[in-house]
Amino acid sequence: EVQLVESGGVVVQPGGSLRLSCAASGFIFDDYTMHWFRQVPGKGLEWVSLINWDGRVTKYSDSVKGRFTITRDNRKNSLDLQMTSLTSGDTALYQCVKDKTSGYSGYEIGFFDSWGRGTQVTVSS
Amino acid sequence: QSVLTQPPSVSGPPGQRVTISCSGGSSNIGTYYVYWYRQLPGMAPQVLIHKDDERPSGVPDRFSGSKSGTSASLAISGLRSDDEGDYFCASWDKSLSGSFVFGSGTKVTVL
Repeated sequence: EVQLVESGGVVVQPGGSLRLSCAASGFIFDDYTMHWFRQVPGKGLEWVSLINWDGRVTKYSDSVKGRFTITRDNRKNSLDLQMTSLTSGDTALYQCVKDKTSGYSGYEIGFFDSWGRGTQVTVSS
Repeated sequence: QSVLTQPPSVSGPPGQRVTISCSGGSSNIGTYYVYWYRQLPGMAPQVLIHKDDERPSGVPDRFSGSKSGTSASLAISGLRSDDEGDYFCASWDKSLSGSFVFGSGTKVTVL
């Protein structure tokens, strides 16, 4: 059974930094592209970032580009999201998501077949 | 404001057929595949349709997807009470640096 367990979410001040982690199990981790999503109640789903199977390709939404960094450790089956220069607009439930592909192009990604429960990040003074 | 436009809600009695529209542009739906997800309260989104019109195993054939130009649709036939939930269309968008985008969501209510 696929399991994705996020951790690291806390209350942080504006301008602060935070590192989220996701522990993956139940599948061959380095066979798949992984993503971070975030959700705010009433505001729908927002894709944040992706990393391909070997970590060589990363992509970010314009709202986080230059502030967030996605990485993975295939030896430890873990996915991270380093977040800096946080603002209130980053307040959300952050979820680790598995794709069905190992690719990264717009023609390959999109079948998100497993989701973690999420970790809450609140940016507030 | 979402890049992909969906109606806020659709409804119908049990057994009816309803459709959810998703309007985009040449940078997303017009070029890339469309996906449809359903999210129930407190649950993770579930893929209903991938690559415009393909149904994953386990998804009933009451759900069907179609695409024409820069718009897509999800049809639900034989509406059932457990079809209630929020439905989202999604696609890659090549604007700016590129990102995966979702519609604003459509709430399906079974009357």
